[in-house]
Amino acid sequence: DTAVSQTPKYLVTQMGNDKSIKCEQNLGHDTMYWYKQDSKKFLKIMFSYNNKELIINETVPNRFSPKSPDKAHLNLHINSLELGDSAVYFCASSQAKNTEAFFGQGTRLTVV
Amino acid sequence: AQSVSQHNHHVILSEAASLELGCNYSYGGTVNLFWYVQYPGQHLQLLLKYFSGDPLVKGIKGFEAEFIKSKFSFNLRKPSVQWSDTAEYFCAVNSGGYQKVTFGIGTKLQVIP
Repeated sequence: DTAVSQTPKYLVTQMGNDKSIKCEQNLGHDTMYWYKQDSKKFLKIMFSYNNKELIINETVPNRFSPKSPDKAHLNLHINSLELGDSAVYFCASSQAKNTEAFFGQGTRLTVV
Repeated sequence: AQSVSQHNHHVILSEAASLELGCNYSYGGTVNLFWYVQYPGQHLQLLLKYFSGDPLVKGIKGFEAEFIKSKFSFNLRKPSVQWSDTAEYFCAVNSGGYQKVTFGIGTKLQVIP
């Protein structure tokens, strides 16, 4: 059973398009995150949600809009995609404060 | 603000060699520390973590790390690496609150058979 699952695994799209990445966790965790990993493998947090409430928004362009319909899901919608958005996006979840995060398999987004 | 620095960006070792990857963090208060591993094409997996207690932490696959508070360090060690340890290793810190986990830039480990 996959604990944190993301779809799709790969996404190739043209500049200017709008796309969504879905994330679901079946661990019963309260907190979910989106991380971006660039081509140099640098991992940066984008958003953090706790019980469907936005907790962290790390200077991410407004084109990125997370949505958490319930605490098991955190989707990421991206408008007007740009070349610089190409990266691997990881969803993660954790039980509470001060515990480790469990990561999904990642979504490799390529904007052409 | 918390930050993490990993000094070795690319390490190449022969099988059976010993490994030590450096990690330093900057934050004055209580921290939780992690090492994650990312095998090629895969997601991040937790190797080990430190929250409190014994500063020498043992993780999976023979890895261990030592928290030295006075040096703000959490170095990862393994006495004898294997080819299958080839991966990217990330040190991370969480200073509490709602899980703003900050990652280091990662160290690419390449083990030559």
